[in-house]
Amino acid sequence: AQKVTQAQTEISVVEKEDVTLDCVYETRDTTYYLFWYKQPPSGELVFLIRRNSFDEQNEISGRYSWNFQKSTSSFNFTITASQVVDSAVYFCALSEGAYSSYKLIFGSGTRLLVRP
Amino acid sequence: NAGVMQNPRHLVRRRGQEARLRCSPMKGHSHVYWYRQLPEEGLKFMVYLQKENIIDESGMPKERFSAEFPKEGPSILRIQQVVRGDSAAYFCASSARVDRFEAFFGQGTRLTVV
Repeated sequence: AQKVTQAQTEISVVEKEDVTLDCVYETRDTTYYLFWYKQPPSGELVFLIRRNSFDEQNEISGRYSWNFQKSTSSFNFTITASQVVDSAVYFCALSEGAYSSYKLIFGSGTRLLVRP
Repeated sequence: NAGVMQNPRHLVRRRGQEARLRCSPMKGHSHVYWYRQLPEEGLKFMVYLQKENIIDESGMPKERFSAEFPKEGPSILRIQQVVRGDSAAYFCASSARVDRFEAFFGQGTRLTVV
């Protein structure tokens, strides 16, 4: 069965610290997609990244980086030099297959608080 | 993604009333997906529609909820006789192809049942 676990319910850091948000997933499919979303206090859902199961390259986008490790079924997200504007709830999600890739399974989210 | 438009952004209904949530997909997209986010939880898939057809409603509650995506106009998620437990944020997304989920959601409609 599909499952996404975000074990960290809440993380608090001081501005400029690096922070890693963990995501562990379970799937029996060989074709799947992993996502990260940011939900700021205003409530919208901001898409950050989608990665398919055949692409294990790590990705860097500005201060954001993602570490995809199939061996440990993890897709962790690191924010370097965190800023107050990074304060939000972050969701990791999983979907399986090409024709059901719309059916995302979300983790319970990690609330990140960045203090000035 | 500003391309997927949802309205209203906030909706307040009394118990027993009907709620209608609208989702206009991105231009050229004929596939629409609705998700619900209960307080303090992640999103959960509700229903997938293609123009005039419901393709997958495996996540829809069996009673009081319905969805449509007519040939013309936005997709509508309808909740009849709302109860307090329906209070949630409802998000939709759209895509041009079912095998290419775009991953962008609209800004959501926050339904509060009083």
